[in-house]
Amino acid sequence: SQKIEQNSEALNIQEGKTATLTCNYTNYSPAYLQWYRQDPGRGPVFLLLIRENEKEKRKERLKVTFDTTLKQSLFHITASQPADSATYLCAPSGNTGFQKLVFGTGTRLLVSP
Amino acid sequence: DTEVTQTPKHLVMGMTNKKSLKCEQHMGHRAMYWYKQKAKKPPELMFVYSYEKLSINESVPSRFSPECPNSSLLNLHLHALQPEDSALYLCASSPPLAGGKDTQYFGPGTRLTVL
Repeated sequence: SQKIEQNSEALNIQEGKTATLTCNYTNYSPAYLQWYRQDPGRGPVFLLLIRENEKEKRKERLKVTFDTTLKQSLFHITASQPADSATYLCAPSGNTGFQKLVFGTGTRLLVSP
Repeated sequence: DTEVTQTPKHLVMGMTNKKSLKCEQHMGHRAMYWYKQKAKKPPELMFVYSYEKLSINESVPSRFSPECPNSSLLNLHLHALQPEDSALYLCASSPPLAGGKDTQYFGPGTRLTVL
């Protein structure tokens, strides 16, 4: 069955450092991979989408890579700030319409001043 | 208007009650979704509506009954729930584009407690 795994332990880093979050998937060949941010008690917010034929995508301080051979996506936040503290969810998606999004387990990021 | 709204924010109900959750969007999206999220877990898909028709039901118990009266509204009717149904219920919508690049816009959720 399809499995989407993210670091289950919280990631603690200091302000100004780069946070790197991992998303690994098995038994799946997604055409896209999406990343969302979720704050406690709130709905997820879309951050970035990367396609299978893209190696890397950037948006301001965010960078996502997608390695279909390793079946892995990495999500980087550079110059991290305490306001970046949240849970980050990855969601591989296929090629059919009106997507059934299946989220990874999520990684909680804590950025301390 | 670029948001998805959900009401109520919080709901406490007994196991014999009937209640409804409401979701609304005015972004012209033609796909709408219900998710259930338990503490420290990712959201789990329950239902997908596409052009007001139910297209995916993830084997959800019949005590949850979705309804899409029009393209902007999505309801979730609740009846005879169990305490284990207590969770954050999230509504989402996505644009009418083909393919898995449909990013989803989530509402703030309804925190449901079943006593």
